Amino acid sequence: AQKITQTQPGMFVQEKEAVTLDCTYDTSDPSYGLFWYKQPSSGEMIFLIYQGSYDQQNATEGRYSLNFQKARKSANLVISASQLGDSAMYFCAMREPYSGNTGKLIFGQGTTLQVKP
Amino acid sequence: EPEVTQTPSHQVTQMGQEVILRCVPISNHLYFYWYRQILGQKVEFLVSFYNNEISEKSEIFDDQFSVERPDGSNFTLKIRSTKLEDSAMYFCASSEETSGRETQYFGPGTRLLVL
Repeated sequence: AQKITQTQPGMFVQEKEAVTLDCTYDTSDPSYGLFWYKQPSSGEMIFLIYQGSYDQQNATEGRYSLNFQKARKSANLVISASQLGDSAMYFCAMREPYSGNTGKLIFGQGTTLQVKP
Repeated sequence: EPEVTQTPSHQVTQMGQEVILRCVPISNHLYFYWYRQILGQKVEFLVSFYNNEISEKSEIFDDQFSVERPDGSNFTLKIRSTKLEDSAMYFCASSEETSGRETQYFGPGTRLLVL
């Protein structure tokens, strides 16, 4: 069974500094997708970044990058130049391989990030 | 930019009552999902829906739950007889595909409180 682990319940970072949010996963399937979502206090889920298991390069989207270490089964999110608006809960999620038209996401427990001015 | 919408944003109900949560997925999407998030906990998959039928459901999705796509745009989640433990945020999501870079787009959620 797939499993996603986020071991940092809460993190603090100083404004304008970089921060890394950890995510490890467990799957026996060679093909999978990894996602990061941001959930601000208002509650919505905002897609940030995607990494495919066969992607040769780490994904980047603006200030977000993914440190993908396949052998270690980790997909850490790096936020550069933190802003106050980055304060939120961050979820790592994995999509199981295409099978029977499901595509469901399995989420980690989340990490609460607080950016200090 | 297209987005998933959900109504109502908040719902308060008495235990044992039926509730219907409504979602309008992105118009060209084919795969639909419901997830729930109990306060302070992780997001949990409930059910996926494709081609007018359930493609997968979790252990949470018991006989009290049902989903329907009554027309070409709406996607609903019904809870027949609500329990206190059904209090949660319910998210609808949709995607065009289930593989590759295609992500799921989430609605803003419905916060359900069962008293």
